[in-house]
Amino acid sequence: AQSVAQPEDQVNVAEGNPLTVKCTYSVSGNPYLFWYVQYPNRGLQFLLKYITGDNLVKGSYGFEAEFNKSQTSFHLKKPSALVSDSALYFCAVRDMYNTDKLIFGTGTRLQVFP
Amino acid sequence: DTEVTQTPKHLVMGMTNKKSLKCEQHMGHRAMYWYKQKAKKPPELMFVYSYEKLSINESVPSRFSPECPNSSLLNLHLHALQPEDSALYLCASSQGLQGGDEQFFGPGTRLTVL
Repeated sequence: AQSVAQPEDQVNVAEGNPLTVKCTYSVSGNPYLFWYVQYPNRGLQFLLKYITGDNLVKGSYGFEAEFNKSQTSFHLKKPSALVSDSALYFCAVRDMYNTDKLIFGTGTRLQVFP
Repeated sequence: DTEVTQTPKHLVMGMTNKKSLKCEQHMGHRAMYWYKQKAKKPPELMFVYSYEKLSINESVPSRFSPECPNSSLLNLHLHALQPEDSALYLCASSQGLQGGDEQFFGPGTRLTVL
């Protein structure tokens, strides 16, 4: 079965410190992976995606993610966290059998403290 | 224009009411989506329209009726809803030409069913 796991419900980090939000996936074949961010009472905003090519993907707002095929992971990272990065983050993978569908993880709440 | 717009922002309705949610995009995207999202949970796919035709219905109750009048507009007609249908309803669109296309989300309609 295809799935995405975000093992941490919440990640706390001090402003200025590096942050990592974890994501692992389970799909057959080559995955198409996405990260989205959701601020309170807002829709989801696309951050970045991995389709093919370089394993390190750079996205919006200084975020990046590293695709690791051997560990089936796609962790989201940022070198220096901002208080304004506090939000709900979703990892998603394209459904291999229906490319119009995304399979979302359960979400990770990032809290950045001043 | 890279936005997906949704109206209304908030909607309160009784269980006997009929109302509609509206979504619009002018990015020339061929795929449009309706999602339902409960608090602190990932979005749940409801419907997908591809080239103005319904391509996915995720076994959604018939009290939700989607409509795609043209390639830029997507409606969700609501009738005889239940209190458990209260949620954030998100519309999204994508180019949909390849599996790697990201989805662009609107800000959502916060629906409360009394």
